[in-house]
Amino acid sequence: QQPVQSPQAVILREGEDAVINCSSSKALYSVHWYRQKHGEAPVFLMILLKGGEQKGHDKISASFNEKKQQSSLYLTASQLSYSGTYFCGTETGNDMRFGAGTRLTVKP
Amino acid sequence: DAGVTQSPTHLIKTRGQQVTLRCSPKSGHDTVSWYQQALGQGPQFIFQYYEEEERQRGNFPDRFSGHQFPNYSSELNVNALLLGDSALYLCASSPGQLYNEQFFGPGTRLTVL
Repeated sequence: QQPVQSPQAVILREGEDAVINCSSSKALYSVHWYRQKHGEAPVFLMILLKGGEQKGHDKISASFNEKKQQSSLYLTASQLSYSGTYFCGTETGNDMRFGAGTRLTVKP
Repeated sequence: DAGVTQSPTHLIKTRGQQVTLRCSPKSGHDTVSWYQQALGQGPQFIFQYYEEEERQRGNFPDRFSGHQFPNYSSELNVNALLLGDSALYLCASSPGQLYNEQFFGPGTRLTVL
């Protein structure tokens, strides 16, 4: 079963913050976050491993709540370049499943 | 480093035909995963190859098969094409057996008429 992402879409002004959530009904080994721009391949952002490890990349960070099988992606002080569709991928040990995506639009 | 490359870029087939898609992984990567991405949807995992063996498989019928060569490149074969097979097929490579950071190729856009 694929993870559930929310919201489905969000529109921001430059400099605003956003949170994208990802939840799974299965026990997870890891959560991956990718960003895909229109017509391009998904680009890796970060991996979160079992253990609740929180990682960051520039102004994008994420958390992983192992007990709740949930992950959140935090985008701080958004930039125009952050626009795209964000996918979470969940690894259960058997396969990798991606959510339906969250479309993020950052406007000037 | 050329990154992950896929061929062809676009492909048009008719129902019932067979198709082969190709993928060359990023240098140093030995694991290749294939995904199907329908328009407006997230990638759906087809299968993963490591050391020339199919390591994991998603919920796809046997019409979907693959192969990994000694140089780690890979092929995805789809037999008896259906209209519903129309999608972007993505190949991703990563180092090692476990799920590490995956690098995606640009994809092959398959259209089945």
